[in-house]
Amino acid sequence: EAGVTQFPSHSVIEKGQTVTLRCDPISGHDNLYWYRRVMGKEIKFLLHFVKESKQDESGMPNNRFLAERTGGTYSTLKVQPAELEDSGVYFCASSQGFGRSNTGELFFGEGSRLTVL
Amino acid sequence: RKEVEQDPGPFNVPEGATVAFNCTYSNSASQSFFWYRQDCRKEPKLLMSVYSSGNEDGRFTAQLNRASQYISLLIRDSKLSDSATYLCVVNMNFGNEKLTFGTGTRLTIIP
Repeated sequence: EAGVTQFPSHSVIEKGQTVTLRCDPISGHDNLYWYRRVMGKEIKFLLHFVKESKQDESGMPNNRFLAERTGGTYSTLKVQPAELEDSGVYFCASSQGFGRSNTGELFFGEGSRLTVL
Repeated sequence: RKEVEQDPGPFNVPEGATVAFNCTYSNSASQSFFWYRQDCRKEPKLLMSVYSSGNEDGRFTAQLNRASQYISLLIRDSKLSDSATYLCVVNMNFGNEKLTFGTGTRLTIIP
């Protein structure tokens, strides 16, 4: 079974440009999360989708970040315009949800490393 | 104060030794607790959940002390393959996986 896949694995852009990160969750997982790790800091929650609905976006840093999950399958995270402080590793994760699995286990992708110059 | 605090290490431990990691969390209403493992430039993976009664999985033992808001992980008979960063993770909610991570403790097992 395929795990969570993310694209691109690494993106280098200049300040002011736009980048779109994509995440394909594990098939059948209703819950999709975005997390971010900036250098030297801990991994932090950005937002949570249940199917196509945003359940919680309290971790989104500002309105330069836009996440979508059309049709409840894959998700995109767009940063526009990118700033230097947006550099970091963006992780996507998915889970079946507590209704079907009570472990609370999240399955992470390998992350998209974003470097803003 | 960070919500989840861990000693960042690094811990350099000889193969076969026992190593223990500790972690504290600030929110007494936290619901569930985990140790995740992350290899260099890879994704975090669940190592084990942590229960108040303590739980063991092979060479790994996890403990939770709710009164002290303290979580521990013990690795016995350490192997070279145990080298990784160990992330202490707390979920302050119920019904989702909005996780709060510590910065991680880096462990290197030395042959």
